[in-house]
Amino acid sequence: DAGVIQSPRHEVTEMGQEVTLRCKPISGHDYLFWYRQTMMRGLELLIYFNNNVPIDDSGMPEDRFSAKMPNASFSTLKIQPSEPRDSAVYFCASSFRGATGELFFGEGSRLTVL
Amino acid sequence: GENVEQHPSTLSVQEGDSAVIKCTYSDSASNYFPWYKQELGKRPQLIIDIRSNVGEKKDQRIAVTLNKTAKHFSLHITETQPEDSAVYFCAASRGGSYIPTFGRGTSLIVHP
Repeated sequence: DAGVIQSPRHEVTEMGQEVTLRCKPISGHDYLFWYRQTMMRGLELLIYFNNNVPIDDSGMPEDRFSAKMPNASFSTLKIQPSEPRDSAVYFCASSFRGATGELFFGEGSRLTVL
Repeated sequence: GENVEQHPSTLSVQEGDSAVIKCTYSDSASNYFPWYKQELGKRPQLIIDIRSNVGEKKDQRIAVTLNKTAKHFSLHITETQPEDSAVYFCAASRGGSYIPTFGRGTSLIVHP
């Protein structure tokens, strides 16, 4: 397996634009997580899915953020409209509950909102 | 919910020295404690973990200790090398769900 795949790796956009980040988890994993990483706040859990169902979205900062997982192999995190304070690295991670509990992270998507 | 505190936020050592990073957690039901290493510009990756039924675990130059009574756990790196320079994250979670709560991270700098 190629691991967790995220796209785009880098995104530069202007304030007010819509941003969509994409993630393909490892095949067979039943949990998918979206994290945001900043210097100030470290790794923040935004939302996680179990078997494609959103379980806890309490970490989503506000209504401008939304996440979907239409099937076991694809998830999106959307920000609309984007703001400069959304600039961060967004990581997707997946895990298999029946195994060790290890999270496998993607390479991350670095978002810059001007 | 779970709260994980991690100290120090920055740690600078000379090559060959030991490094210790400490974490405390709040949820007494937590029983799985992984450590992740994130090199500059890279993804976090698991380096070692410990479950509540053991007090210590070693893997070559790294070891993790757990004190469930005091609700704290630590990462120990011996004979540090420049390639150990990275951000280290501790985490705590309940077994069965494995939804980790991460500490804020420790930036370890190993000077040659």
